[in-house]
Amino acid sequence: NAGVTQTPKFQVLKTGQSMTLQCAQDMNHEYMSWYRQDPGMGLRLIHYSVGAGITDQGEVPNGYNVSRSTTEDFPLRLLSAAPSQTSVYFCASSSPSLDEQYFGPGTRLTVT
Amino acid sequence: EDQVTQSPEALRLQEGESSSLNCSYTVSGLRGLFWYRQDPGKGPEFLFTLYSAGEEKEKERLKATLTKKESFLHITAPKPEDSATYLCAVVGGGSNYKLTFGKGTLLTVNP
Repeated sequence: NAGVTQTPKFQVLKTGQSMTLQCAQDMNHEYMSWYRQDPGMGLRLIHYSVGAGITDQGEVPNGYNVSRSTTEDFPLRLLSAAPSQTSVYFCASSSPSLDEQYFGPGTRLTVT
Repeated sequence: EDQVTQSPEALRLQEGESSSLNCSYTVSGLRGLFWYRQDPGKGPEFLFTLYSAGEEKEKERLKATLTKKESFLHITAPKPEDSATYLCAVVGGGSNYKLTFGKGTLLTVNP
């Protein structure tokens, strides 16, 4: 099992550009989520999904879109990148109980 | 709104010097409290889940305990490889599937 994979590992964007961060898991987990991690702020939940076709907002959803068309994939879209979105982004998956979430290796995004 | 406060922010220990990390939480109807370990440049790695006050779980040199207001991660005779950031998170009954994380404790164990 590959677990949770994320691409790309690093990305630099200019303000106003859009992009999609990819996340995939091969553990047949129903629950998937996206977090951002900033120095001094801890992990903050952006969006989450409890199954294909079902998504909901977390603590900091503004500027981000998600969709869940398959159990395996949960992409995160930045619609118009802003410097405030410079961060490390983590995708995670688990059963709906949230017990033992598996995190991906992260994507380090810089917006200039 | 669920809240998690971890202390201390950073802890430096000598190898073999036991200590504890604290996670204080405010949540409406705790559904679960989770401990994770995060190494630099990597994603968090799951350690424990605790569900109710009085529950304890152990793994190698780590032991997690839970009360109605806080959780402790006890580290017995730590080794340098235990150096990492330890994260605490909670999910409450009113939070659906939203985990709230604390800011973490950076543990450094010197040989």
